[in-house]
Amino acid sequence: TQLLEQSPQFLSIQEGENLTVYCNSSSVFSSLQWYRQEPGEGPVLLVTVVTGGEVKKLKRLTFQFGDARKDSSLHITAAQPGDTGLYLCAGAGVPDSWGKLQFGAGTQVVVTP
Amino acid sequence: DAGVTQSPTHLIKTRGQQVTLRCSPKSGHDTVSWYQQALGQGPQFIFQYYEEEERQRGNFPDRFSGHQFPNYSSELNVNALLLGDSALYLCASSPPGQGLAKNIQYFGAGTRLSVL
Repeated sequence: TQLLEQSPQFLSIQEGENLTVYCNSSSVFSSLQWYRQEPGEGPVLLVTVVTGGEVKKLKRLTFQFGDARKDSSLHITAAQPGDTGLYLCAGAGVPDSWGKLQFGAGTQVVVTP
Repeated sequence: DAGVTQSPTHLIKTRGQQVTLRCSPKSGHDTVSWYQQALGQGPQFIFQYYEEEERQRGNFPDRFSGHQFPNYSSELNVNALLLGDSALYLCASSPPGQGLAKNIQYFGAGTRLSVL
């Protein structure tokens, strides 16, 4: 059972367009991680957000943690084909779940030239 | 600096057999977590090892067991394999420290297990 709901499940866009991926839950998380996974590979850590309302930027990627620490979003500006991959959000619950990450089912992003 | 390494990369077994998967954590990391990722789904937490002990466990049967060695490497054992155990098994390591540090996990490329 996935306690983290990701939307949309699939996103196909043209190079240069913007996109947003959402990660929602009814649970509060001590932190939330975003990963990107490519076929045949393990997830690669992109960012960790900890504080409610926190915004982090990684080049063209902007990550936001909801004020109540129950949801998060990933926004990509001017997407490139290299951004193609499965984007996964993962959270650790409170109070004693450090390191026990719960993952969403992922959003498959395809960026075509 | 080597990242998380897993072996083997692929494995084919038949129902009822037993399997052992291996993981070496990222240099400087002391905690190893194991996840199962079925096709089209996100990873599911199996268990976590720290100081050679199982510290947390997900909703997996006792057929799934593990071990951590003094050099922090780890093994995942699955007994009495079922068809439903076919999946990508991922190992993740995290740096020393309590609390939030354990959430910062770096993954290996995984072992693809097929049960026939």
